Amino acid sequence: AQSVAQPEDQVNVAEGNPLTVKCTYSVSGNPYLFWYVQYPNRGLQFLLKYITGDNLVKGSYGFEAEFNKSQTSFHLKKPSALVSDSALYFCAVSYAGNNRKLIWGLGTSLAVNP
Amino acid sequence: EPEVTQTPSHQVTQMGQEVILRCVPISNHLYFYWYRQILGQKVEFLVSFYNNEISEKSEIFDDQFSVERPDGSNFTLKIRSTKLEDSAMYFCAGSRGREQYFGPGTRLTVT
Repeated sequence: AQSVAQPEDQVNVAEGNPLTVKCTYSVSGNPYLFWYVQYPNRGLQFLLKYITGDNLVKGSYGFEAEFNKSQTSFHLKKPSALVSDSALYFCAVSYAGNNRKLIWGLGTSLAVNP
Repeated sequence: EPEVTQTPSHQVTQMGQEVILRCVPISNHLYFYWYRQILGQKVEFLVSFYNNEISEKSEIFDDQFSVERPDGSNFTLKIRSTKLEDSAMYFCAGSRGREQYFGPGTRLTVT
């Protein structure tokens, strides 16, 4: 079955430190991978995607993610966290032939402490 | 920057009543979707819509659900006879490329 796992419910990091939010996936065929962020009482905001090409993709607000095919992972990273990055982060996947529907992880709550 | 809008932001309804959730996607998008998120659970795909017809629907999307894009701008989700378990946040999304752009959601509470 197609699935996405975000193994950490919560990640805590100090402001200025690097952050990583983990995501692994299981799909048949080539994956299309996405990260979304949700602030309180707001919708799901697109951060970045991997479709093809370079394994390291850069997105909004200084975030980047690395696609690792052998580990079936797509971890979200940022070199220096800001307090304003505190939010809920979702990893999602689709794949060729699934009519573009997104399969979602449970989300990881990121808390950046001043 | 264009945004997806959804109305209402919060809908309270009694079990058995019909509700219509409305969305205005970004104007140049071609694919449209509804997802829902029950409190504390995963975001779940409901339905995708392309070229004026449903392209895929999940097992959640039973005969009680329907979608429409009546006028080329609005995209609606109708639940004919709501159940308690339909209480959730409903998100509309649209896309032109692979990434989907979401509205702020409608919180549906069925009492």
